[in-house]
Amino acid sequence: AIRITQSPSSVSASTGDRVTITCRASEGINSYLSWYQQKPGKAPQLLIYGTFSLQSGVPSRFSASGSGTDFTLTISRLQSEDFATYFCQQYYAYPLTFGGGTKVQIK
Amino acid sequence: EVQLVESGGGLVQPGGSLRLSCTASGFTFSTYWMSWVRQAPGKGLEWVANINENESEKYYVDSVKGRFTISRDNGKNALYLQMNSLRAGDTAVYYCATNVNTPRGRGRGGAVAFDMWGQGTMVTVSS
Repeated sequence: AIRITQSPSSVSASTGDRVTITCRASEGINSYLSWYQQKPGKAPQLLIYGTFSLQSGVPSRFSASGSGTDFTLTISRLQSEDFATYFCQQYYAYPLTFGGGTKVQIK
Repeated sequence: EVQLVESGGGLVQPGGSLRLSCTASGFTFSTYWMSWVRQAPGKGLEWVANINENESEKYYVDSVKGRFTISRDNGKNALYLQMNSLRAGDTAVYYCATNVNTPRGRGRGGAVAFDMWGQGTMVTVSS
């Protein structure tokens, strides 16, 4: 199975800060990498697919990049509604696998 | 409105069985791969199983192979997960999920980025 290592596991930041989250796959996954935001008690919501494509309705302060095995999600100017947990996921091969998650907390 | 609604969760003893259901609406259910994804309390997401449009292809995470069975009834717009020989480690919120509106978020063989999720149903395995 392709392992996804996500870091950091948590980050404390203030409104307006820039936050970067990384995911590293144990083998190449082409561009089949997505990012999700999850708030407590809610289902995840798709933010990014295909490594860098912004899902409809997602604010442009979210961006992503990467290729092969290394991927990043950046929130350029953190807003109050962005405090949540973020997960990456590879959909290159079965079993589909997720990163362990990054909790973005208020500093 | 595209919607997925799960049901069937509850408390079950170790070794017991449970069948989860997911009812879809707002899209042509019979033309999409469907998935189950779970999340243990306070933990991350784990993909569980995928099924194609006509049930000819099914995939499972190793930890549930031989115990869980994914199926669907396209006439009822319903997805199911039959869970047998349940263990404490199966305790989680179970989500059904799919990719309806994001064609460029689809990989090969039903592997997708999930743009639609249900609200989840909680399964607790405990004596």
